[in-house]
Amino acid sequence: AQSVTQPDIHITVSEGASLELRCNYSYGATPYLFWYVQSPGQGLQLLLKYFSGDTLVQGIKGFEAEFKRSQSSFNLRKPSVHWSDAAEYFCAVAPNSGNTPLVFGKGTRLSVIA
Amino acid sequence: EAQVTQNPRYLITVTGKKLTVTCSQNMNHEYMSWYRQDPGLGLRQIYYSMNVEVTDKGDVPEGYKVSRKEKRNFPLILESPSPNQTSLYFCASSQDGSYGYTFGSGTRLTVV
Repeated sequence: AQSVTQPDIHITVSEGASLELRCNYSYGATPYLFWYVQSPGQGLQLLLKYFSGDTLVQGIKGFEAEFKRSQSSFNLRKPSVHWSDAAEYFCAVAPNSGNTPLVFGKGTRLSVIA
Repeated sequence: EAQVTQNPRYLITVTGKKLTVTCSQNMNHEYMSWYRQDPGLGLRQIYYSMNVEVTDKGDVPEGYKVSRKEKRNFPLILESPSPNQTSLYFCASSQDGSYGYTFGSGTRLTVV
């Protein structure tokens, strides 16, 4: 069965520092890959997605993610974190065969300090 | 505006009292899904629907029912709610996985 692992439960970074959130998936083929963000008390917002082509994808709010097939990873990065980026981040995968269930990681909570 | 609308946003109920959480999307999406979110467990799928009259169980379907009589609506039914169903619930829809999934704003349910 497909699964998603986000190894870091909680990360704290200083404002202006760079950020990398890790995501590893387990699936036979290359699935569709997503990163969502959930601000406190809010729903989920799609940051970016990958389904084919260029392995470095750009998203909203200055985020990017790189798909590495050899490592089954899809890590999220941002060069300079802003205090408003404090939120919970979820990596998710879906088999690339049409409308199928989306499987989420358990999430990484990001705290930003001054 | 393209969106997934859930109602209510907040609900407190008592054990055993049947309730329905509604979900509606205006994007003509074929695929709809319900998730529950619990601390430390992330989001787990309850039920999903590939199209009208086609539904299937997700990872945690016990205690829930769904129906898909129309394309736009996918209500979640708790026939006899219990305290362990206290959670944050999200509805989502998608036309095709490659386009991503649109989520509703969530329904925070408390069962006492």
